[in-house]
Amino acid sequence: EPEVTQTPSHQVTQMGQEVILRCVPISNHLYFYWYRQILGQKVEFLVSFYNNEISEKSEIFDDQFSVERPDGSNFTLKIRSTKLEDSAMYFCASSVDRGLQETQYFGPGTRLLVL
Amino acid sequence: AQSVTQLGSHVSVSEGALVLLRCNYSSSVPPYLFWYVQYPNQGLQLLLKYTSAATLVKGINGFEAEFKKSETSFHLTKPSAHMSDAAEYFCAVNRRGGADGLTFGKGTHLIIQP
Repeated sequence: EPEVTQTPSHQVTQMGQEVILRCVPISNHLYFYWYRQILGQKVEFLVSFYNNEISEKSEIFDDQFSVERPDGSNFTLKIRSTKLEDSAMYFCASSVDRGLQETQYFGPGTRLLVL
Repeated sequence: AQSVTQLGSHVSVSEGALVLLRCNYSSSVPPYLFWYVQYPNQGLQLLLKYTSAATLVKGINGFEAEFKKSETSFHLTKPSAHMSDAAEYFCAVNRRGGADGLTFGKGTHLIIQP
């Protein structure tokens, strides 16, 4: 069964460094998402992406964050200058279409630790 | 704005016993509700979803959930717990009517006692 994959599974970085989290969505899906979960807190929506542009973003997704689909398979989340509070599990998801009923398929997550 | 509350960060049941995981929602528009499960070191997997077609929704692995508008609830149940059900369970609601992002609860860790 097709699944969303994410790399790396764990990343440790120094505060102020740039990190890129990578995701490979399911091949026939058109919509892509990033979520994060700070330890002990809720899974939070960051951004959605369609047709090579941001469809929607939350208030968390500030200028430090960017997303890109650099080729036909990868979908990346870049954090330009990491802060301690960026430490979290980051989930990528994809869906065939957009809509209230659409199922979003999630990857296993990347655990980011900022020191 | 939509939100969900999951009562109980940890729930422990004996193998073979009834599983009940609680989720209450708050929504200014008719909600679409989802239950996801996360097994260790895996992604979030959809268990079931409510999309207004039927109030009792059956999902995978023997789970079901009932949408009760009067109680603003969407509790997840399974008649008989199995050891393989041990996982983290998340309730989610569509973030805004027609928008993309899901709003999740904090999750409930289900522990199965042998």
